[in-house]
Parts: sequence; C-alpha cells; structure tokens
Amino acid sequence: QSVLTQPPSASGTPGQRVTISCSGSSSNIGSNYVYWYQQLPGTAPKLLIYSNNQRPSGVPDRFSGSKSGTSASLAISGLRSEDEADYYCAAWDDSLSGRYVFGTGTKVTVL
Amino acid sequence: QLQLQESGPGLVKPSETLSLTCTVSGGSISSSSYYWGWIRQPPGKGLEWIGSIYYSGSTYYNPSLKSRVTISVDTSKNQFSLKLSSVTAADTAVYYCARNSIVVVPAALDYWGQGTLVTVSS
Repeated sequence: QSVLTQPPSASGTPGQRVTISCSGSSSNIGSNYVYWYQQLPGTAPKLLIYSNNQRPSGVPDRFSGSKSGTSASLAISGLRSEDEADYYCAAWDDSLSGRYVFGTGTKVTVL
Repeated sequence: QLQLQESGPGLVKPSETLSLTCTVSGGSISSSSYYWGWIRQPPGKGLEWIGSIYYSGSTYYNPSLKSRVTISVDTSKNQFSLKLSSVTAADTAVYYCARNSIVVVPAALDYWGQGTLVTVSS
C-alpha cells in the first residue's frame, strides 16, 4: 500500500492548467525531497521534477513542482495532448529503516 | 548517453527464484555519485521500489520485500542484479532498473531501463 496519496485522475482541455496533489507525512515529504515521474503509455517512467521543484534538462518549463509541509503538487500549464500520461510522486521515507516510496499515481487525460 | 538494459527469464515458476540483471553502458557503475535501483510495476498498477545498491555493495531494501530480495553488483561487468525468492503470482510485473542520484540516501531515479515483463506461472 502506497504511503503517498494522489488523486486517481485529473483532466483538462488543451491550454489549461492542471494540478496534481501528493499527500504524505512527516517521515517522507515532510522531511525529504519530492520527485515527480511521468509515464507515457507503454513506456518506462521519466524523471520530471527533482528536489521538490527542479526540472532536469529537457523538461519543459510548463511543468512545475512545489512542496508545503507534508504535501506536494505538480502543475502542468498550457496542457498539451502529449501530456496525457500517468504521473507519480515519490520521496524517501525515514520509517522502517528507510525506503523509497511512490505515490498512488494520477492519470492525466487531455479532453 | 547512459543506458540501462534489463535481462533475464520472462517466465518463472511459483516458489522459484526470479533473477534479473541490469547492464549499464555509457557510464561507470562504480561512480561515487549514484545508487542503482530496481523498481517493479504489476500490470495495470503503480510503481513499487524494490531496493537500491551502491557500487561498494551497500544496499537499501523495501522492508515489505526484504526477506526475499538480494541485490548485488558486479563492477567488473558494469552490472547489478536482482534475486527475488519464493515468487508467487503477485510478483508478476514489469521490472525496471534505474540509476538513483544521492542526497544522503537514494534520491531521484534519473535514468531507467526499458523494463522487462516477468510472469510467474506454472
């Protein structure tokens, strides 16, 4: 069972802004960095955001991350059809001798 | 360009041991800046971290799998491997290997293999 909770789905029309939440606790998001991954259908996940709000080279600035307390968010602005994918948050969790935990995942649909 | 490639049997019988290898090319597995991890994804479900290893052999394991998992590294071959014992149908998944950056502990998974489907069935 995932310790990071995300909404199962989110949607928007092209050009809109979509936000995905990720809720955790003091042992994970509250005390460690948050990462976001994008998984296009049939492909391996791709790192989208690291260290809460940093984008790897090549990731469009339409994607932005933020963190506050024990929650984090991923925002996609100027939504495009190619953004239709599953999105996962992740963080290190200090409990149980330490473990890397993923969120439950959010399916983003472009209407 | 760093590349990771998983290899191993696509079919494993229940109660047997699943064994996969990840071959790293375009970079050294002996870098002091990275861990190397295994992640799996059951069909139609989310991602689950299995564990990560440093080139020295230091490991972190998912506590829920720790009793059945062994991750090892072979720096001479630039490879790291996963063994999961006593498998059941619940272990059927796409298994990915990936590179973990480090922020004291395993951090961002910034390079991934394409994944390999392992089915547990008799």
